[in-house]
Amino acid sequence: QVQLVESGGGVVQPGRSLRLSCSASGFTFRSYGMHWVRQAPGKGLEWVAVITYDGSKKYYGDSVEGRFTISRDNSKNTLYMQMNSLRAEDTAVYYCAKDVAKNCAGDCPPDYWGQGTLVTVSP
Amino acid sequence: SYVLTQPPSVSVAPGQTARITCGGNNIGSKNVHWYQQKSGQAPVLVVYDNSDRPSGIPERFSGANSGNTATLTISRVEAGDEADYYCQMWDRSSDWVFGGGTKLTVL
Repeated sequence: QVQLVESGGGVVQPGRSLRLSCSASGFTFRSYGMHWVRQAPGKGLEWVAVITYDGSKKYYGDSVEGRFTISRDNSKNTLYMQMNSLRAEDTAVYYCAKDVAKNCAGDCPPDYWGQGTLVTVSP
Repeated sequence: SYVLTQPPSVSVAPGQTARITCGGNNIGSKNVHWYQQKSGQAPVLVVYDNSDRPSGIPERFSGANSGNTATLTISRVEAGDEADYYCQMWDRSSDWVFGGGTKLTVL
């Protein structure tokens, strides 16, 4: 069955960097686009970024554009999010999620989600 | 950027029908997706492309989209349906957008 396991979260000071990973199994990773979505404590869902199945296209939410970089390694079935210049408002649980269909151009919704990893940005 | 508006809360008695709306400018021309998030858990896709259900989602969950409002309908509501529900859509100018979420309370 589909499994997505995020890792790399933790406590980090403002202005510092962090890299999240998402290990995927149970499906043909290289055929599916992948999303990062975050949720601040007690708040709603906020879309962060999406990468197409082959890594050729990447799209970002306005709040992270220029600071975060999404990438993937299809040989390792792993999705990444490099987060630079972190701010207090980046504090959230970060979920990775796979597209509902194969070979999408960044416009397919995610179906399966991981359990998330908590990032806390604090002095 | 595109804005999706949901009511903060909806309450319904067990066995009744719950309707959760998602408002947006000409949203009927977009594909809308719905997620259920139970307390402390990751979201689950319950309806995609306005009215399609992923495998394993009960037929009690259905969706519609027209004009300026998309609607998630949950028939024969059960206690286990109590959760936060989010609508979502993709727009060429805004990329992916979520609504603010609706808390469904089963009385």
